[in-house]
Amino acid sequence: QKEVEQDPGPLSVPEGAIVSLNCTYSNSAFQYFMWYRQYSRKGPELLMYTYSSGNKEDGRFTAQVDKSSKYISLFIRDSQPSDSATYLCAMSSLIQGAQKLVFGQGTRLTINP
Amino acid sequence: NAGVTQTPKFQVLKTGQSMTLQCAQDMNHEYMSWYRQDPGMGLRLIHYSVGAGITDQGEVPNGYNVSRSTTEDFPLRLLSAAPSQTSVYFCASSYSRQWSGYTFGSGTRLTVV
Repeated sequence: QKEVEQDPGPLSVPEGAIVSLNCTYSNSAFQYFMWYRQYSRKGPELLMYTYSSGNKEDGRFTAQVDKSSKYISLFIRDSQPSDSATYLCAMSSLIQGAQKLVFGQGTRLTINP
Repeated sequence: NAGVTQTPKFQVLKTGQSMTLQCAQDMNHEYMSWYRQDPGMGLRLIHYSVGAGITDQGEVPNGYNVSRSTTEDFPLRLLSAAPSQTSVYFCASSYSRQWSGYTFGSGTRLTVV
């Protein structure tokens, strides 16, 4: 079983829709929960992060962590065509003094005008 | 522009050839790492470094060597290329080994024939 599971999609929604992206995990030692966005033929870029549990909001984006269920989510409100990308969840735990980051497979998202 | 620079962007190798993928960052980051990204597998850690002169293996280190003689540079060497090493390679860095919000380079697309 992978430490981090993410549905690869693809996911296609109309412009303006609310998008929900999710990941599950098995390692209870994870401390940081992150979402990276990767445009086609580019490197991933950090979108949002949460330390431990709870919610975090940044503009149209909301990240949620439910440690009791080992489940994290990213919500995108009023989705735009420019949000079309692959979204990677990632989680890290402290091992031998360094944060070890584990990625999900990534979900490919397309927002249709 | 500050960031992580990877060269070359594209490379085709014949089986058995060796090559070095270059990675440089100008942000004085302590932590640097190499990932490979394959369809259905997500990003997998090859090697990482927590400072000049210090390197360690990640999840998939076989067939690759690294060294870090300066803070800025972290080259990845393929010793004897195999078709299984066909992938997109990303270099990533962080200001601290205890922060997993990485800055990624734009990647090197490698094909081994």
